[in-house]
Amino acid sequence: GQQVMQIPQYQHVQEGEDFTTYCNSSTTLSNIQWYKQRPGGHPVFLIQLVKSGEVKKQKRLTFQFGEAKKNSSLHITATQTTDVGTYFCLPFGNEKLTFGTGTRLTIIP
Amino acid sequence: DTEVTQTPKHLVMGMTNKKSLKCEQHMGHRAMYWYKQKAKKPPELMFVYSYEKLSINESVPSRFSPECPNSSLLNLHLHALQPEDSALYLCASSQEGRVSYEQYFGPGTRLTVT
Repeated sequence: GQQVMQIPQYQHVQEGEDFTTYCNSSTTLSNIQWYKQRPGGHPVFLIQLVKSGEVKKQKRLTFQFGEAKKNSSLHITATQTTDVGTYFCLPFGNEKLTFGTGTRLTIIP
Repeated sequence: DTEVTQTPKHLVMGMTNKKSLKCEQHMGHRAMYWYKQKAKKPPELMFVYSYEKLSINESVPSRFSPECPNSSLLNLHLHALQPEDSALYLCASSQEGRVSYEQYFGPGTRLTVT
C-alpha cells in the first residue's frame, strides 16, 4: 500500500511558537488516528477522527479531518518542551494499515 | 491495567541463533500486532492476530514466525535473521479484534543481529 505523506518531515520551533503537521492521502479515508512517539519511546495514541470536517481539541492540540476525508492536520498552540517527538498519522481506508511518514518536532528552549 | 509489556528490552543475536520476543497485555484486547521500526522511520506492520487467529501477514519473511498462545500473549520467534533485521520491534493491542480501534503499544524490544 502507498504510504501517506506527512509534511513537514522535520520542524524546529522556538518554545511558545505554534506547530502544525499535515497528513495527505490520495484516496478517501474512513477514519484517521494520530500518535505521538517521544525520542526513545513508543507510539502513544492521541485521537481518532471519523467524520468529515471533524475538529477535536485536547488542551493545546487541535485535530482536523478534511471535508473530503483525504487529509488531516494536528496543530499545537504555544509549544512546550514536552511536545518534542515524532507525530504520526495512521489513516484507515482500503489500503493496508500503514503509518504516515511522520513529522519530527524539536523545540528550542 | 492499560499496559502492554514486552520482553526482553534489548536482544543481541547472531545470524544462526533462535530467539523469541514476548508480548503481554491484560486489557482484554482481542487484536494484537507486531511492528518493525527502523530508526527515523514509522512503524511497519508485520502481523495482526484477531481473536487469536492470524488475520494479517504483511509478506514477512519466514525467518519471523508469530504465535498467539492465548488472548493475552503474543510471541515472535526469530531464526536465521540477517543484520538488516536489526530494529525496534513493537507489540500493540486493540480491543474487539478490529484494527480501527486505538492501539496500545509496548515499549519495544531493540534487536541487534550480528
